Amino acid sequence: AQSVTQLDSQVPVFEEAPVELRCNYSSSVSVYLFWYVQYPNQGLQLLLKYLSGSTLVKGINGFEAEFNKSQTSFHLRKPSVHISDTAEYFCAVIIRGAGGTSYGKLTFGQGTILTVHP
Amino acid sequence: KAGVTQTPRYLIKTRGQQVTLSCSPISGHRSVSWYQQTPGQGLQFLFEYFSETQRNKGNFPGRFSGRQFSNSRSEMNVSTLELGDSALYLCASSRDGGLGNEQYFGPGTRLTVT
Repeated sequence: AQSVTQLDSQVPVFEEAPVELRCNYSSSVSVYLFWYVQYPNQGLQLLLKYLSGSTLVKGINGFEAEFNKSQTSFHLRKPSVHISDTAEYFCAVIIRGAGGTSYGKLTFGQGTILTVHP
Repeated sequence: KAGVTQTPRYLIKTRGQQVTLSCSPISGHRSVSWYQQTPGQGLQFLFEYFSETQRNKGNFPGRFSGRQFSNSRSEMNVSTLELGDSALYLCASSRDGGLGNEQYFGPGTRLTVT
């Protein structure tokens, strides 16, 4: 079964420090990969996605992620965080080539709460 | 362009009642997916609709159902509510539900069952 593992449930960091949020997926098929952010009392907003091509993907708000097929990982990074980055971050996948069983279906990790301290 | 809207934003229901939640997708989007978010289970896929047809369904009991109208607006219904149905229900729209399509999420409906 497809699963997504976010290795850290909470990540505290000081403002202007770098951060990495880790995501691994288990799959014997190809996947599309996504990172979403959820601010309190809001829905999810897409930060970035990997469909194909360059394994380094740049997203909004200065975030980037690197797809590593051999490690089945898609870690999210930001070189310098701000207080406003405090939120919950979700890694998600869609399985490619699974036909009707994948339409509109994102499978999410459990989320990582990023807290940026001044 | 207006985003995904969900109504109502908050609901309080009693066990055994039923509830209907509404989702209006972004103009031009024809696919709507629904998710349930709880602290214990996280984000779980409920179902996806495209052109008024349910194309995909998650692992939820039959008490959870949905439909989509010709204008792509979608509703989901939960019958015989249980305490465990308390959750944030999110809908997301995309152009056609294709695997690489970005899903745009609404703010959610927070359902509390007492």
